[in-house]
Amino acid sequence: SQQGEEDPQALSIQEGENATMNCSYKTSINNLQWYRQNSGRGLVHLILIRSNEREKHSGRLRVTLDTSKKSSSLLITASRAADTASYFCATGVYNQGGKLIFGQGTELSVKP
Amino acid sequence: NAGVTQTPKFRVLKTGQSMTLLCAQDMNHEYMYWYRQDPGMGLRLIHYSVGEGTTAKGEVPDGYNVSRLKKQNFLLGLESAAPSQTSVYFCASSLAGVGSGELFFGEGSRLTVL
Repeated sequence: SQQGEEDPQALSIQEGENATMNCSYKTSINNLQWYRQNSGRGLVHLILIRSNEREKHSGRLRVTLDTSKKSSSLLITASRAADTASYFCATGVYNQGGKLIFGQGTELSVKP
Repeated sequence: NAGVTQTPKFRVLKTGQSMTLLCAQDMNHEYMYWYRQDPGMGLRLIHYSVGEGTTAKGEVPDGYNVSRLKKQNFLLGLESAAPSQTSVYFCASSLAGVGSGELFFGEGSRLTVL
């Protein structure tokens, strides 16, 4: 079964608004990563947060991690039409070598 | 910089046919992965490799075989294709294991099995 579960499955907002996506997972992790996928393209890495970190920023992205609740959130501030894409969380799991397990993704639509 | 290159990008097979997907990376990465992406299922790990000459099973390995004879290449084989293997396949690579950072993905190979 999938390690990560994302919520919501789809999100539609207006340009300039903030977008928040959530990810929950089941087992202890080394780190949690967020990826973006434009339609018909491969995934692109956005940000990685380690299990001993609580918050991380990168440009308009803010990621939080709550290991006690086994959850993470990705916030995109001041969204743009170009942010329209699918966003996936992925977890690196202890004692499972190089495996990175992906969630089902959130489909974000930003309307101009 | 080519990064991760997948060939072919599109392929149509008949049930029972065989084929090989090739993934090549030019970043000298140790780890390589094959995922499949299906609607509503996200990405699921098929097989992965932690170095030249090694392979390991992921979440959904049945019906697939892999080989990593050279560090830069990771091949995914379907010996007898089935309609359930219709999917988009993504190859990825990383410098080391999941503790060290990001995966770099190819653009995908869309496979249809009739």
